[in-house]
Amino acid sequence: GDSVTQMEGPVTLSEEAFLTINCTYTATGYPSLFWYVQYPGEGLQLLLKATKADDKGSNKGFEATYRKETTSFHLEKGSVQVSDSAVYFCAPREAEKLVFGKGTKLTVNP
Amino acid sequence: DAGVIQSPRHEVTEMGQEVTLRCKPISGHDYLFWYRQTMMRGLELLIYFNNNVPIDDSGMPEDRFSAKMPNASFSTLKIQPSEPRDSAVYFCASSINRGASETQYFGPGTRLLVL
Repeated sequence: GDSVTQMEGPVTLSEEAFLTINCTYTATGYPSLFWYVQYPGEGLQLLLKATKADDKGSNKGFEATYRKETTSFHLEKGSVQVSDSAVYFCAPREAEKLVFGKGTKLTVNP
Repeated sequence: DAGVIQSPRHEVTEMGQEVTLRCKPISGHDYLFWYRQTMMRGLELLIYFNNNVPIDDSGMPEDRFSAKMPNASFSTLKIQPSEPRDSAVYFCASSINRGASETQYFGPGTRLLVL
């Protein structure tokens, strides 16, 4: 089955810093790829997704590009805000299932 | 739409007691997923249903756990008897089958503490 390796946290940044959270996956085919975000005390919610090679998902200033050659889907944001503090999960889709990484906790300080 | 609804939001029980967690998926969604989240193991898929039928229960930890979906708008996850190691946040999620890009929508979770 698919598996995913996600950058371990926690990550602590100052406001307006650049963010990268690495994610690589193994899969037999070309799965759709997702990033979910979990704010404190809440359930997970979709942040962005990409369904095929070279697709770029984007939302709320975050971006991730589906790289087939490196089997990666790294999350980036040019200028983080305090409100971005949350746990971020990378997840390739295997059939109907999402295979979640362990999550990366991001803390953004003012 | 109200989103995925879970109840209770918090549950504290004693070891050996039966615990029932409830989930109402988004109307019209035909997939329902149960997850467990702990610090040690992260987010684990326990079981999922399609059109009320269990498709994959390989993530259910042991016979103490059972899940049902008697109709399209309701599912339960039961733990009997409960143990302290079952303490976790349990999430329900639902989705609709429109292809490989379809999103799962998560409920707010039930925080379970077994003493």
